Amino acid sequence: DTGVSQDPRHKITKRGQNVTFRCDPISEHNRLYWYRQTLGQGPEFLTYFQNEAQLEKSRLLSDRFSAERPKGSFSTLEIQRTEQGDSAMYLCASLRGGGYEQYFGPGTRLTVT
Amino acid sequence: KQEVTQIPAALSVPEGENLVLNCSFTDSAIYNLQWFRQDPGKGLTSLLLIQSSQREQTSGRLNASLDKSSGRSTLYIAASQPGDSATYLCAVPLSGSRLTFGEGTQLTVNP
Repeated sequence: DTGVSQDPRHKITKRGQNVTFRCDPISEHNRLYWYRQTLGQGPEFLTYFQNEAQLEKSRLLSDRFSAERPKGSFSTLEIQRTEQGDSAMYLCASLRGGGYEQYFGPGTRLTVT
Repeated sequence: KQEVTQIPAALSVPEGENLVLNCSFTDSAIYNLQWFRQDPGKGLTSLLLIQSSQREQTSGRLNASLDKSSGRSTLYIAASQPGDSATYLCAVPLSGSRLTFGEGTQLTVNP
């Protein structure tokens, strides 16, 4: 296992710009999760995929957010028209089919100025 | 709705001390509980996963216990070291295995 990777690690953007993050899960992990974490808080669930199907979305995921997982491999999370409240750490995790333990990536730190 | 609470929010101890971190959850119908470590500005590292059928799980100086009926889990760290300084998070899975996290306990071990 090479682990879960995320790119970029840090992103600074101006309010109103669009940003896209990428997550590469552990190979053959069929589930992929996105979480958001603000300072001093625990991560909060955003959405998850089983293979290429997006099965659940949190109410936190406004219509400015969209996530994809084409071909059931890597996933992208796009935020349109960023707001200062979007500043957070965006974490990705993957889970093997039939498994229980989620493995997290290093996260992408987004700062909206 | 599942809610997860961690006490204390912050803890500072001298090196060598044994310590206990607490995690409580409101819905006891869980099938496992996972403890994570997070260093500042980093992602989460899984420490221990304890199944609902287990009462304890051990890894090195770490021991996690689970009492479903009372909605509690503890993480015991023996002989703490400065390198143990981090935020410790507990999480329980909901539908689709998505995790609900506590707010974490920020641990500082002073040399």
